[in-house]
Amino acid sequence: QQQVKQSPQSLIVQKGGISIINCAYENTAFDYFPWYQQFPGKGPALLIAIRPDVSEKKEGRFTISFNKSAKQFSLHIMDSQPGDSATYFCAPHGSSNTGKLIFGQGTTLQVKP
Amino acid sequence: KAGVTQTPRYLIKTRGQQVTLSCSPISGHRSVSWYQQTPGQGLQFLFEYFSETQRNKGNFPGRFSGRQFSNSRSEMNVSTLELGDSALYLCASSLEVSDNSPLHFGNGTRLTVT
Repeated sequence: QQQVKQSPQSLIVQKGGISIINCAYENTAFDYFPWYQQFPGKGPALLIAIRPDVSEKKEGRFTISFNKSAKQFSLHIMDSQPGDSATYFCAPHGSSNTGKLIFGQGTTLQVKP
Repeated sequence: KAGVTQTPRYLIKTRGQQVTLSCSPISGHRSVSWYQQTPGQGLQFLFEYFSETQRNKGNFPGRFSGRQFSNSRSEMNVSTLELGDSALYLCASSLEVSDNSPLHFGNGTRLTVT
């Protein structure tokens, strides 16, 4: 069974602060590392993703840091806003398993105004 | 372009009944996957279809089944419902099954079994 471990389970951050969520995986064949964001009453939506040929990818306030040797990747949300309050899931996978994803347990982020 | 549409949004069923959930993928998307989301187990993969063929199946009992039609629309069926089947069922579509085509999720069908 492929394991994906996400931490922390929940996170409370003040507005303007930095939110950091971590994801650890076991399968070295994974070659795509996405983060999904889910708001209440909605389905998850792809937020940002990285491939293993780079160690960091930044899109606006969202950054993925990737550590191949440690088999970990992290989501950093800079200048966190109340609108970022949501549940975040990592779902690393191989390129041949696009539809069959193993999601992390999820991190519920609350950004306080 | 319209997103993934799931119907109905809410369902209440009784133990022992069966239920059919429907999913219309984004136009042009040929791959459809289904996931079950519960507070305790999180997001769990049910099955994946491409061109009317089941490509992968998750670790769920045979009471859970699905199919995909020639227009890529998909249905999943749960027979002999149990209380533990209460969950949010999410459908996701993608353009292809490889090349890391991102999944696009619908807003789900909330199934309550009483």
